[in-house]
Amino acid sequence: QKEVEQNSGPLSVPEGAIASLNCTYSDRGSQSFFWYRQYSGKSPELIMSIYSNGDKEDGRFTAQLNKASQYVSLLIRDSQPSDSATYLCAVPPGASNTGKLIFGQGTTLQVKP
Amino acid sequence: EAGVTQFPSHSVIEKGQTVTLRCDPISGHDNLYWYRRVMGKEIKFLLHFVKESKQDESGMPNNRFLAERTGGTYSTLKVQPAELEDSGVYFCASSQDLGAHGYTFGSGTRLTVV
Repeated sequence: QKEVEQNSGPLSVPEGAIASLNCTYSDRGSQSFFWYRQYSGKSPELIMSIYSNGDKEDGRFTAQLNKASQYVSLLIRDSQPSDSATYLCAVPPGASNTGKLIFGQGTTLQVKP
Repeated sequence: EAGVTQFPSHSVIEKGQTVTLRCDPISGHDNLYWYRRVMGKEIKFLLHFVKESKQDESGMPNNRFLAERTGGTYSTLKVQPAELEDSGVYFCASSQDLGAHGYTFGSGTRLTVV
């Protein structure tokens, strides 16, 4: 079992729809969770972080965390073609606070006009 | 504020040659990380510097890889001798505070070993 798992996609949604990206992790001790966006040929860019169970909203983005189910998701409302990218879920190992991150393989999102 | 700078952006070398990648972190950032993404795989941690000290090098694949951060500023990652499986994109990231509060990545160096 991979430490951080994501469906590689591609996930295709029409413009204006809600895109739902999912991630599961294996280490129950993990305390913080990150979503990065990576455009083709570019570097990963941090877009959301979440530390507590529940929802965290930032503009069109909502991160959802369920530690009991070891599940974190990213919702993108009113999806735009510019949201087309690979979304990476990243988790520090255990209760580690060193900054090391374990990444999932990423989900490719395609938003069609 | 300048971002994390990496160079070269691309490097093509022959198997058995040596390549040195460089990363200039954001000024003042004590924490510097190296990651690598091999084709079709997830981004994987290589090592972490705090200033000039190696805090965690658990992800370094083998002794063909040598990372340095002299003076606690820029860092180099040398691969000697390079093998075909070393091909991939090498990312550097830096942060001011210790801890995974999210950090800034450089644009990466795409290394191709032929």
